[in-house]
Formats: sequence, C-alpha cells, structure tokens
Amino acid sequence: NAGVTQTPKFQVLKTGQSMTLQCAQDMNHEYMSWYRQDPGMGLRLIHYSVGAGITDQGEVPNGYNVSRSTTEDFPLRLLSAAPSQTSVYFCASGGLAGGFNEQFFGPGTRLTVL
Amino acid sequence: GEDVEQSLFLSVREGDSSVINCTYTDSSSTYLYWYKQEPGAGLQLLTYIFSNMDMKQDQRLTVLLNKKDKHLSLRIADTQTGDSAIYFCAESLLGGSGTYKYIFGTGTRLKVLA
Repeated sequence: NAGVTQTPKFQVLKTGQSMTLQCAQDMNHEYMSWYRQDPGMGLRLIHYSVGAGITDQGEVPNGYNVSRSTTEDFPLRLLSAAPSQTSVYFCASGGLAGGFNEQFFGPGTRLTVL
Repeated sequence: GEDVEQSLFLSVREGDSSVINCTYTDSSSTYLYWYKQEPGAGLQLLTYIFSNMDMKQDQRLTVLLNKKDKHLSLRIADTQTGDSAIYFCAESLLGGSGTYKYIFGTGTRLKVLA
C-alpha cells in the first residue's frame, strides 16, 4: 500500500494562477480531507468528504474547491491563487465507523504564491 | 464553536517529563487524539482517548482528560531527543453531513535539550 500520496511536493504560483493539488489513497477510506498548516495556526480544515459525490466545507473553505468523483481521489483546486494561500497543504484519509478513526496523512505540498 | 487551543512551544531537558496541554470548546467530542509531526513530514497518530475515559496510559505516554474543564493533556515520561516534534491535539465531531469531521489544534513544538 502506498497510503496517502500527494503531488506535487512543491509548487510556486503567481497571483491569479489556478492549479490543482492532487491527493490519492489506496486504503479504501471513505473519509478524506484537506488541511492547511500555517505557523502558529496549526492545521485548519479546508474541505472534507465522507464518500464519493459528498463534500462539505471546513473552517477555511474560501478560495478552494473540491470534488470527489471516486473513493480514491480528492483533488483540491485553487481557482485564482492569492499570496494568503501560501502554506503547506496536507491531505488525510480515514474510515468513518463509530467516530474513532486514525487519520492517515500524506507528506504535504508546500505552495508559495508570489 | 469548534476551537482547539494549545501552547505553541515547550522546552524540556532529556530525561525529564514533558506535559503538553490542550483545551477544546466542543463538548460533543467523541474521541480526542494526539498526533506527532516530525520535521518535513505529515502527522502520525500517537495515541487517543474515548471521551468517557479519564486516563489512558501507553508505555511512556499518559493521556489525561478532564471533560468538565474540556482539558486534555499528554505526558511523555523520560523524554528523549527523538521526541522533539510538533504535537497536535485533535477531536472528532459530528459534521454537517451527519458523519464525523476532525478538528486539529494549533500544535505544540516540543524541543528536548540534551
């Protein structure tokens, strides 16, 4: 099992550009989520999904879109990048049964918006 | 609201005990977790506690939960230099889709001095 994979590892964008951060998992997890990590702010939930075709907003969804067409993939789209979106982005996946589920994290994507 | 707070830094000497504290605001949490993030990596689950428990011990780790005060702590006995990392407190809550979502704290950077 590869676990949770994210691409790219690093990305530099100019303000106004769009891009998609890719996330895939091979553990058949229903739950997938995106977080951004900023110094002193911890991990903030952007969007999450509880299964194919179902997504919901987290704490900081503005400026980001997601879709979940398959169980395996959960891409995060930045439609018009802004410097405030400079951050490290983590994708995570886990099961849904009973409230306890370990979240498995990808290695992260470091995004810089100039 | 959903808020998980931690102090940002903790410094201890090798061999001493470390205590990392966390406060949360949502009393509907079912499970509370501690995750560890090593430099340049994603998060990994360290330990967890069910919300109706007061304490859980796992080798050098002791988790204490005070539901009345909404306070969670992680004690690491005999702290080693390999314990230097960022530690995140997290809770699982009922989300908008009728299933669970996970909220992470701000993270505490533990530095162990030799």
